Amino acid sequence: DGGITQSPKYLFRKEGQNVTLSCEQNLNHDAMYWYRQDPGQGLRLIYYSQIVNDFQKGDIAEGYSVSREKKESFPLTVTSAQKNPTAFYLCASSSRLAGDQETQYFGPGTRLLVL
Amino acid sequence: GEDVEQSLFLSVREGDSSVINCTYTDSSSTYLYWYKQEPGAGLQLLTYIFSNMDMKQDQRLTVLLNKKDKHLSLRIADTQTGDSAIYFCAEKGAGNNRKLIWGLGTSLAVNP
Repeated sequence: DGGITQSPKYLFRKEGQNVTLSCEQNLNHDAMYWYRQDPGQGLRLIYYSQIVNDFQKGDIAEGYSVSREKKESFPLTVTSAQKNPTAFYLCASSSRLAGDQETQYFGPGTRLLVL
Repeated sequence: GEDVEQSLFLSVREGDSSVINCTYTDSSSTYLYWYKQEPGAGLQLLTYIFSNMDMKQDQRLTVLLNKKDKHLSLRIADTQTGDSAIYFCAEKGAGNNRKLIWGLGTSLAVNP
């Protein structure tokens, strides 16, 4: 089955700890995205990557870091500098090869909670 | 900057039609999208429309686009309890920018 997987489904972070959220896709998409979702605030873009070994900051990149060493994978690290990390994190991917509309496809999300 | 606005809540009775509205500001929008999010889940693409189209229909879903007024709507015919979810409107600008501009989402409640 083609799709996007995110793990874990739930993640707990202690104060001062870095945690990494996994995102993998087997859709052969070139672009990948990380969003943060808070109640009543919709989706906010954290980082996105259009090709391997390259990524750009989104609207709320502070306190987060990413890497794109493989086309299939785009892990997000929530660092201790992110003071309010509790949120639902969504990963998405897209491809221009599928057409100019470049639909973004989403994973099931990871809920991060602070202990 | 570009903005997308939606009303936050909509309540309908089962079997009625639902109309969810969205307005946007980017006059260079190329594509507009509707996504559905069920509780605790990721977003699922429902449909999209190219900016030179006025209407697109797909089974129970009808999308209307008024480009002059920058107004997009999603009509769900014969709304069912399984349609209860948050519906997001998003728009894609012209050029190489691959980012989408998202609305805050409309929470649809379907009452039996």
